[in-house]
Amino acid sequence: DVKVTQSSRYLVKRTGEKVFLECVQDMDHENMFWYRQDPGLGLRLIYFSYDVKMKEKGDIPEGYSVSREKKERFSLILESASTNQTSMYLCASKLAGVSYEQYFGPGTRLTVT
Amino acid sequence: GENVEQHPSTLSVQEGDSAVIKCTYSDSASNYFPWYKQELGKGPQLIIDIRSNVGEKKDQRIAVTLNKTAKHFSLHITETQPEDSAVYFCAASIDTNAGKSTFGDGTTLTVKP
Repeated sequence: DVKVTQSSRYLVKRTGEKVFLECVQDMDHENMFWYRQDPGLGLRLIYFSYDVKMKEKGDIPEGYSVSREKKERFSLILESASTNQTSMYLCASKLAGVSYEQYFGPGTRLTVT
Repeated sequence: GENVEQHPSTLSVQEGDSAVIKCTYSDSASNYFPWYKQELGKGPQLIIDIRSNVGEKKDQRIAVTLNKTAKHFSLHITETQPEDSAVYFCAASIDTNAGKSTFGDGTTLTVKP
């Protein structure tokens, strides 16, 4: 069974703090993704990575950066958290190629106060 | 880029009735169309997918149809049960190494016992 784990289920941070969200997958998947989920807006892609040290911007990259130093780990970084980054963050991984399902982690509910 | 529209945003049916969720996509190059189910407190999970060379696919009570000419695809759930209550997302993907998907905004399905 593929397992995608996220470092925290719930996180509360203050405005201006640097925030790290960690994602680890155990199935040697090449591709990894970070989404944010907001009511009525579906899943919006922040960044994705198709290989170690490779990354590409998704649809809403502003205010975020990512790091992929090892194949199994993909980190999302909020350089200076703001209240409009309060959201549910979902990580996913998949094999390379288009016709493979994405496996999602349980999500991290981030609140920025 | 790809744009995926999903309707309806909410759907309420009686147990035993059928439910239909519809999606349209904009990029004719999209060739993989997965459907994900997200239960409360969990990440989305693939329930069925279809590739562009197929018009219909069935798996027990769920089926997906694809009309490439009209650029729309639909999820059909028959004999609905309370455990079908969840948020459903459609997605469209283009064949690239990254294989990233564009998601619809989601449909909240409620099945009343």
